[in-house]
Amino acid sequence: EVQLVQSGAEVKKPGESLKISCKGSGYSFTSYWIGWVRQMPGKGLEWMGIIYPGDSDTRYSPSFQGQVTISADKSISTAYLQWSSLKASDTAMYYCARLNNWNMNYWGQGTLVTVSS
Amino acid sequence: EIVMTQSPATLSVSPGERATLSCRASQSVSSNLAWYQQKPGQAPRLLIYGASTRATGIPARFSGSGSGTEFTLTISSLQSEDFAVYYCQQYNNWPQWTFGQGTKVEIK
Repeated sequence: EVQLVQSGAEVKKPGESLKISCKGSGYSFTSYWIGWVRQMPGKGLEWMGIIYPGDSDTRYSPSFQGQVTISADKSISTAYLQWSSLKASDTAMYYCARLNNWNMNYWGQGTLVTVSS
Repeated sequence: EIVMTQSPATLSVSPGERATLSCRASQSVSSNLAWYQQKPGQAPRLLIYGASTRATGIPARFSGSGSGTEFTLTISSLQSEDFAVYYCQQYNNWPQWTFGQGTKVEIK
């Protein structure tokens, strides 16, 4: 069974750094792109970027380029989304998803990130 | 950036009735269009890809149509579990994949 399990909710202060994770199982982790999607409170879905764990090829949405870093450790089948300096506006639910032919057919349960002073 | 516009924002439908959701792209996305369903507190779920292909396990009451700039998701006979928010998403123009703002299907 394909599963993506994300790390738990985080509460951080503005300016702090953060790295959240997405662990894949039940499939060949290095053979499928993993994507990240943001959902701000009460709002819609926003595409952030994708990574191919096989070779760490990474692509970012222009809206998120330079704002976050996407990475992966294929030895432990885990993808990451990180911030070097959080802002209050980063408060959101973040989802990872496995892509198949550019469609997100398996999703993690989401990680809620709250940034507040 | 390709803008995806969904209509209506909210659709009130009685159980058993048909629901028709629209999605318009600001420029052609060919058939590179997916539909997702999201229920409160849950991750989205892929319903349709390639504009008209149902994802694995999706009931036949869900159907998608369209190409270019105009797309439609039809739910032929709404069940109680279908009340949710539906998003369209184009994946034609990497890296600027974009979602629509969503249509909420609520009980009438």
